[in-house]
Amino acid sequence: DSGVTQTPKHLITATGQRVTLRCSPRSGDLSVYWYQQSLDQGLQFLIQYYNGEERAKGNILERFSAQQFPDLHSELNLSSLELGDSALYFCASSGQGSNQPQHFGDGTRLSIL
Amino acid sequence: TQLLEQSPQFLSIQEGENLTVYCNSSSVFSSLQWYRQEPGEGPVLLVTVVTGGEVKKLKRLTFQFGDARKDSSLHITAAQPGDTGLYLCAGANLRGATNKLIFGTGTLLAVQP
Repeated sequence: DSGVTQTPKHLITATGQRVTLRCSPRSGDLSVYWYQQSLDQGLQFLIQYYNGEERAKGNILERFSAQQFPDLHSELNLSSLELGDSALYFCASSGQGSNQPQHFGDGTRLSIL
Repeated sequence: TQLLEQSPQFLSIQEGENLTVYCNSSSVFSSLQWYRQEPGEGPVLLVTVVTGGEVKKLKRLTFQFGDARKDSSLHITAAQPGDTGLYLCAGANLRGATNKLIFGTGTLLAVQP
């Protein structure tokens, strides 16, 4: 058990819809990262938050947004969903300091019909 | 764009055999992490290497970070069926004060009993 909790585990929805994925980091971790894993692209970094503020952005679409709340949990919002958004979405958290390892949740499997 | 190429992409071996997985890049990383991922689960951290030339051992697994911090290898001795999974290397670069990870292309290992 990594200590990172993601909900829901599975999500099935239709094109054009909007969903919210939730992540609770390990106790004490201030950094939260979101990644997308698909068969053709592998694991891709989307966005990082540190103590409530955006720290880094990766290949995140404009239709996607995220935030980190005062209790450090994070949400990833995906809107105007397209078939190609079907993927596994992972959240990871890490402690403060350089070269801190990231610990991953078990992901949310998003299926767009 | 930083890329991490892993080889081989797929590996199917018999229990008891040895194997090596390679992770190569033209970019320098401040640290490199190795993960193993099983179906339906998130990547699980195996090791973090930080210093060029560093060698770390975890039971039957030996990890090495290249002198120039551009490449790494994972050697498994006497593989067991429980070693089956997707092995991912991931590099971190502290540029911009972020620990975001660049993931390798992955090596899918199957150990037959």
